[in-house]
Order: sequence, then structure tokens, then C-alpha cells
Amino acid sequence: GQNIDQPTEMTATEGAIVQINCTYQTSGFNGLFWYQQHAGEAPTFLSYNVLDGLEEKGRFSSFLSRSKGYSYLLLKELQMKDSASYLCAVTTGGFKTIFGAGTRLFVKA
Amino acid sequence: KAGVTQTPRYLIKTRGQQVTLSCSPISGHRSVSWYQQTPGQGLQFLFEYFSETQRNKGNFPGRFSGRQFSNSRSEMNVSTLELGDSALYLCASSQTGGGNQPQHFGDGTRLSIL
Repeated sequence: GQNIDQPTEMTATEGAIVQINCTYQTSGFNGLFWYQQHAGEAPTFLSYNVLDGLEEKGRFSSFLSRSKGYSYLLLKELQMKDSASYLCAVTTGGFKTIFGAGTRLFVKA
Repeated sequence: KAGVTQTPRYLIKTRGQQVTLSCSPISGHRSVSWYQQTPGQGLQFLFEYFSETQRNKGNFPGRFSGRQFSNSRSEMNVSTLELGDSALYLCASSQTGGGNQPQHFGDGTRLSIL
């Protein structure tokens, strides 16, 4: 089967660093995406990994290990506006994307 | 550049009815995917269209169908609505649907079944 697991909820403090993990088991792998979704809004693209290693983009970084079926999203210098759901998604080939259920991040003052 | 546009934003139907949702992709994008989003389940893939052809579909019953027009606009239809069909339906577009292309999402249609 195809499965993507990520924690349901996380809480962190403003200014801190938080790591959101994602493990996946899929029948194919073309790449891994992270999306951010604020409540009541559409998901928006954050990052893309296709090769093993770390991709850095400002306060956000994403890591991939294909052999372990593992990724994480690292958010630094947390801000209140980072409170949102973070969706891990794998493109499996065949023009299909599998999404995890999402991790709701609460940033507290 | 206009984003992905979905209409209507909200819809209330009763069991047994049918519904049609519309999606206009970003100009130049030819791949359109549809997802159902419910609390706790995340985004469930419904189907993907490119050049008026369905290239893949998820594990949904035949009551869920879709189509794409020559201008890349897409519609999805749900017949014989059930209470469990209440959800946010999201449409996403990309240039060709390649596995390395991020998807751009519309704001969704929130469907409520009474």
C-alpha cells in the first residue's frame, strides 16, 4: 500500500526551531514536497526534494533520505504566522501525488 | 497572473442529489488534479487530467467523475450524494503534471450534504 505518516500536532515557542518529520512507503518515488496550509486557505508550496540531503530556503529547510523513506521540514526563528498545517506529499509517478494527513503546528508566544 | 479559480466556494446539497464543481487552472497550466480533504484524512487524490485525458484516478467510487475541456478548465461531478461526501474539494494545477512540479491550489469548494 501507499502510506505517508507525520505527527498530528506539534506545539513550539515563538523564536524557536521545530522539526516536522515525515515517513513514507510508496510504490514509486519521483520527489517529495512540503506544503503549508493556513486554516481556511489553500495549500501553498514550500519545498521540493528529489535527491538525498538538505535543501535550504530562508527560514525553512527540508531534508530527504530516500533509502530510509524519511523527510523532515525544519522551521527556524518561528513566528506566530507559522501556525498552520504542514503537508508532506510524495509524487509517485503516473501523475499521482500522495499526501500525508498533515501536521498542525501551534506557535505560542 | 491569476491563480487557480474554483467555483462555487460553498455548496449545500441533500442526499441523493448530484453536484458539479468547476476549476480554472493558472493560464498555461495543462494538468489539473482534484483532491478531497476531510479532517484527519488529509488530501485524498481523486483524479488527474491533462489535455482532456484522465491519466490517473484514486480509490473513489464511480459516483465521482471528472472531465477537462480544451482550454484546460476542469469539472468534477458527484452523483447520488451521500453524507460522507461532505468535504473540501481542492483543485490544483501544474504545467504538465510532472513529478518535479509543485502544484498550485485553488481555495476549494466546501460541500455540505444535509
